[in-house]
Amino acid sequence: GENVEQHPSTLSVQEGDSAVIKCTYSDSASNYFPWYKQELGKGPQLIIDIRSNVGEKKDQRIAVTLNKTAKHFSLHITETQPEDSAVYFCAASRKTDSWGKFQFGAGTQVVVTP
Amino acid sequence: ETGVTQSPTHLIKTRGQQVTLRCSSQSGHNTVSWYQQALGQGPQFIFQYYREEENGRGNFPPRFSGLQFPNYSSELNVNALELDDSALYLCASSALAGGNNEQFFGPGTRLTVL
Repeated sequence: GENVEQHPSTLSVQEGDSAVIKCTYSDSASNYFPWYKQELGKGPQLIIDIRSNVGEKKDQRIAVTLNKTAKHFSLHITETQPEDSAVYFCAASRKTDSWGKFQFGAGTQVVVTP
Repeated sequence: ETGVTQSPTHLIKTRGQQVTLRCSSQSGHNTVSWYQQALGQGPQFIFQYYREEENGRGNFPPRFSGLQFPNYSSELNVNALELDDSALYLCASSALAGGNNEQFFGPGTRLTVL
């Protein structure tokens, strides 16, 4: 089955700096890669996603890149702000007709210090 | 907010008891997936319900069961509770059509087993 590894487990950045989180996956059939942000006491919130037919996607200060050959994808947050502090999860899944099981990484605790 | 609601928000049970958790999907969504998130870990896929039938299952024993109702809301039932069942239980709704994978999570139910 699919296995997703996420690094680093914790990331501390100064406000205004960039943060990068990397994930690798094992199943070459995976073709959908969402990123979720989870704040304390809340459910995961979808912040950006990418499908295997594109290599990069950007939404304001966040961007995701995908390297299908190397089976890795990354989340980039620029101009970090204190409200970006949270746990971030990557996930991978297949596009199938029957079901979409998400395999999540272990998460990255991001702390943005003013 | 995603429009996915879960109840109750918190629950305390003792070992051996049974529990039922509930989820209302986002308007327009016909699929509900359930995940278990242990403290400090990423969510683990339990199962998915589509058109009132189980549509995929993760590595969880049969004492984890579920239902989906005609209005697409769903229940997760866990029998013979064990201490390791203590976790945040998340449901995610999606519109399973043409392989659309986007899943939106509710706030979760925090289950504590004593």
